[in-house]
Amino acid sequence: ETGVTQSPTHLIKTRGQQVTLRCSSQSGHNTVSWYQQALGQGPQFIFQYYREEKNGRGNFPPRFSGLQFPNYSSELNVNALELDDSALYLCASSQDALFGEQYFGPGTRLTVT
Amino acid sequence: AQSVTQLDSQVPVFEEAPVELRCNYSSSVSVYLFWYVQYPNQGLQLLLKYLSGSTLVKGINGFEAEFNKSQTSFHLRKPSVHISDTAEYFCAVSVTSGSRLTFGEGTQLTVNP
Repeated sequence: ETGVTQSPTHLIKTRGQQVTLRCSSQSGHNTVSWYQQALGQGPQFIFQYYREEKNGRGNFPPRFSGLQFPNYSSELNVNALELDDSALYLCASSQDALFGEQYFGPGTRLTVT
Repeated sequence: AQSVTQLDSQVPVFEEAPVELRCNYSSSVSVYLFWYVQYPNQGLQLLLKYLSGSTLVKGINGFEAEFNKSQTSFHLRKPSVHISDTAEYFCAVSVTSGSRLTFGEGTQLTVNP
């Protein structure tokens, strides 16, 4: 069974650019959640997708957007990158949006210069 | 809304000594409680969770935690630590086991020989 995978592993972007991060959910999982973990801090919830529909959003500006595909993989898009967007971006998949345990991927390290 | 406070940002201990990592939470509704571990340059791995039932929860790698509703705490313990336990530990809460997780700031556990 393949676990949660994320790509790319590392990414360097310039302020003002746009970035797309990708997450493949674990087999049998229909829910994906995205988290931002700034250096030295705990992860913060960005949003969750359940069966291709957004199912909750954290306190992040609209330039953070996402989608989920029919195979339940997901993308996180960030427009107009700011220096403070530099962080580890984690995705987690689960079997169910309410009661499924969340399994985390290894993350994508984004550096904005 | 929920919040999590991890009372110690860093905990240094010697190998084979006992350790306790402290976590307090705040919530106006009943919550589920989790402890995650993060090794360097990796994602999060679930150590244990409290959903209901017995307040003493046993997890992987010899860790256990006790849920104390009156003190709104969920402290993590291990009777004898190993060098390999060196990692960042995060306490988290959610309203349901699959919904958004609210994390604490993390506790860096360093086990010295």
